[in-house]
Amino acid sequence: EAQVTQNPRYLITVTGKKLTVTCSQNMNHEYMSWYRQDPGLGLRQIYYSMNVEVTDKGDVPEGYKVSRKEKRNFPLILESPSPNQTSLYFCASSDGTVAEKLFFGSGTQLSVL
Amino acid sequence: GENVEQHPSTLSVQEGDSAVIKCTYSDSASNYFPWYKQELGKGPQLIIDIRSNVGEKKDQRIAVTLNKTAKHFSLHITETQPEDSAVYFCAAQNNAGGTSYGKLTFGQGTILTVHP
Repeated sequence: EAQVTQNPRYLITVTGKKLTVTCSQNMNHEYMSWYRQDPGLGLRQIYYSMNVEVTDKGDVPEGYKVSRKEKRNFPLILESPSPNQTSLYFCASSDGTVAEKLFFGSGTQLSVL
Repeated sequence: GENVEQHPSTLSVQEGDSAVIKCTYSDSASNYFPWYKQELGKGPQLIIDIRSNVGEKKDQRIAVTLNKTAKHFSLHITETQPEDSAVYFCAAQNNAGGTSYGKLTFGQGTILTVHP
């Protein structure tokens, strides 16, 4: 089954404790991206990657890191989480090098205390 | 960069009525406009998209219209059903090149409720 898998689904952590949210897709897609969803703000792009070893900042990259060492994986790293990073996070992928016809994961609800 | 405004934020209709959600965008270079539906507890799912060289596109009960001059596009759902209840997001992208290439900007979302 074609899918984008994110883990964990729920995460509660404390300020400053480094964490990683994993994302993996099994569709051999070139493009992958991370979004955060906040009430009233819609989905905002954090980082995206058009190919292996190529990553670019989205609209809200501050406080986040990503890497794209393999085509299928695109982890999101929070080196020192803060309460304003409490949000619902989505990973997405698409065929091609642009964000067309995105497939989204099921989301990761992160709470930073 | 691109800015997408979406209205209304909530929409309540009776089953069988039509629903219309509108979005405006700021970057005249944007040329790809998708709509996503997000059901409770799930990730968004693409329901329809349109490119700037097309004025209208239909898929069964769903249609999207685009006015490039006014820089706005709309989602039309006819004969609504309770299972259409969800959050709908519009988005815009310039996939022809430039500094915003690869970036997809979403609207704020519309909560659609269809009452039986």
